[in-house]
Amino acid sequence: DIVMTQSPDSLAVSLGERATINCKSSQSVLYSSNNKNYLAWYQQKPGQPPKLLIYWASTRESGVPDRFSGSGSGTDFTLTISSLQAEDVAVYYCQQYYSTPLVTFGPGTKVDIK
Amino acid sequence: QVQLVQSGAEVKKPGASVKVSCKASGYTFTSYGISWVRQAPGQGLEWMGWISAYNGNTNYAQKLQGRVTMTTDTSTSTAYMELRSLRSDDTAVYYCARGRYGSGSYYTYWGQGTLVTVSS
Repeated sequence: DIVMTQSPDSLAVSLGERATINCKSSQSVLYSSNNKNYLAWYQQKPGQPPKLLIYWASTRESGVPDRFSGSGSGTDFTLTISSLQAEDVAVYYCQQYYSTPLVTFGPGTKVDIK
Repeated sequence: QVQLVQSGAEVKKPGASVKVSCKASGYTFTSYGISWVRQAPGQGLEWMGWISAYNGNTNYAQKLQGRVTMTTDTSTSTAYMELRSLRSDDTAVYYCARGRYGSGSYYTYWGQGTLVTVSS
């Protein structure tokens, strides 16, 4: 199975400042035939199911604010919140779907307000 | 609009079985598979498996092989996940989810979650 790791485990950022979360896969999730990275990002708030933010590593889901952006390729990926808002306090997970339907998630990164 | 509505919370004793349902609406049920993901208290997301609602093909996480069975009822657009020989570490919120594409992919729709508590 493809193993996903994330760093840091948690971070605290001041309102309006940038938050950066890293995700690494144990093998490339870039599919050469279509040049797409099979990597998604989710946001989860307490008591709620995860919410899809980003797919194909950098495509924002409809309705997701543009302060959320994804980047990276191959095995190294980043989720950036450009200007942290209070409502962004949550746990963020990366997910690979290269081996779909078998998918794996990263362990999560908790984002708080400093 | 697409909705996945799950059955209510369950409390089970160790060694028992639990069956969680996930009723789908707002789309053609047989055009998409349903995945199951669980989350232990304070922990991350764990993929459990996937079932094709078209032909019933399944793909289970290796660690759950032999204890989990996923089924669908196309007449009611409902997916089921049964977990047997429950242990305390099976205590978790269980989610059903649907991908944007038929075979899974990233999950655009989630059920509300079903808390299963395993306790003597």
